[in-house]
Amino acid sequence: GNSVTQMEGPVTLSEEAFLTINCTYTATGYPSLFWYVQYPGEGLQLLLKATKADDKGSNKGFEATYRKETTSFHLEKGSVQVSDSAVYFCALRSYSGAGSYQLTFGKGTKLSVIP
Amino acid sequence: NAGVTQTPKFQVLKTGQSMTLQCAQDMNHEYMSWYRQDPGMGLRLIHYSVGAGITDQGEVPNGYNVSRSTTEDFPLRLLSAAPSQTSVYFCASSYSDRGGYGYTFGSGTRLTVV
Repeated sequence: GNSVTQMEGPVTLSEEAFLTINCTYTATGYPSLFWYVQYPGEGLQLLLKATKADDKGSNKGFEATYRKETTSFHLEKGSVQVSDSAVYFCALRSYSGAGSYQLTFGKGTKLSVIP
Repeated sequence: NAGVTQTPKFQVLKTGQSMTLQCAQDMNHEYMSWYRQDPGMGLRLIHYSVGAGITDQGEVPNGYNVSRSTTEDFPLRLLSAAPSQTSVYFCASSYSDRGGYGYTFGSGTRLTVV
């Protein structure tokens, strides 16, 4: 079946530090890959996406590259801010059987950025 | 443009009670789904719908029912609440269940069953 594995948190960084959150996946076919962000007390928001190998998704200074050879989609940001403190979810959409395409989420990585 | 609206935001139920969590979207999305979020478990799919009149089970459907009589609404019914159903519930919608279309999430319903 499809699955997503994220690095476990929590991750605590100082402001302006470099961020990497690792994400690897197992999927049938050619999945689309996503990063979602959840701020405290809110629902998830789409952060960025990539739909084919070697695509780079980017938004708000975050970026991730779809690496089919390593089945990875690591999230990076060059300089984090306190406002980036949130939980980040890696997700994939692929065929999951019986005509169904479902979004499968990782367990989430909590990021705390301190001034 | 309201997006996905979930009600209520908070609810406390007694074991055995039933209730309906409401979800409505105004984006004319065909695909709608319900997830539950539990600590350390990520999000798990309960039920989903690819269009009005069509619903199907996800990963953890037991104890929940859904219906989709209109494109806009996708209510989730708890038939007989149990403490194991204490969770945060999210409704999400998308233009399609395929490809690179992202999901739009509601702000969630925090349910406690005592």
